[in-house]
Amino acid sequence: DAGVIQSPRHEVTEMGQEVTLRCKPISGHNSLFWYRQTMMRGLELLIYFNNNVPIDDSGMPEDRFSAKMPNASFSTLKIQPSEPRDSAVYFCASRRRDRGDTEAFFGQGTRLTVV
Amino acid sequence: AQSVSQHNHHVILSEAASLELGCNYSYGGTVNLFWYVQYPGQHLQLLLKYFSGDPLVKGIKGFEAEFIKSKFSFNLRKPSVQWSDTAEYFCAVNAIGDYKLSFGAGTTVTVRA
Repeated sequence: DAGVIQSPRHEVTEMGQEVTLRCKPISGHNSLFWYRQTMMRGLELLIYFNNNVPIDDSGMPEDRFSAKMPNASFSTLKIQPSEPRDSAVYFCASRRRDRGDTEAFFGQGTRLTVV
Repeated sequence: AQSVSQHNHHVILSEAASLELGCNYSYGGTVNLFWYVQYPGQHLQLLLKYFSGDPLVKGIKGFEAEFIKSKFSFNLRKPSVQWSDTAEYFCAVNAIGDYKLSFGAGTTVTVRA
């Protein structure tokens, strides 16, 4: 299995531009998480989906952030417009939840720099 | 809602020293517990997990953790660290039946050769 795949690995953009981060979870996993990691705030849960449905988006910092999961194999996190304080590493993780829980597997992350 | 507290922000030790990282969670029900490691510039990887059974869990790279239900703790240990154990370590908890996986703030471990 290729694991959780995120793209791009690095993104540099100018303030005000739209940024879209992509994630392909592990096949068969039905829960997906988006996390943001910064030096100041550590690892923050932004949103998680179960069976493609957003369950809790209370961690999304503001309306500039949106996430979608149109099908079981793809999710996006969009920032529009982007700001310098959005600079961080964004991780996607997936796990399988059916008769029980399993551990979450993380992607390599997208390092976002907003200048 | 569950939350996770890691006691140490940064630990510095020498090779061959023993390591213990504290983790406490707040949730009254049954939980799954995890320790993840993040090596510099890399993503989080699972070290070990506890779902049920023997509260002493052994993971990869010589790490182990003990679940003490009465103390709501899941401390990570390694008897003798190596320079390659330099990394950030995260404790995580998932309440049974809840979708959410919550992480602690992380502990940075620096092992000096």
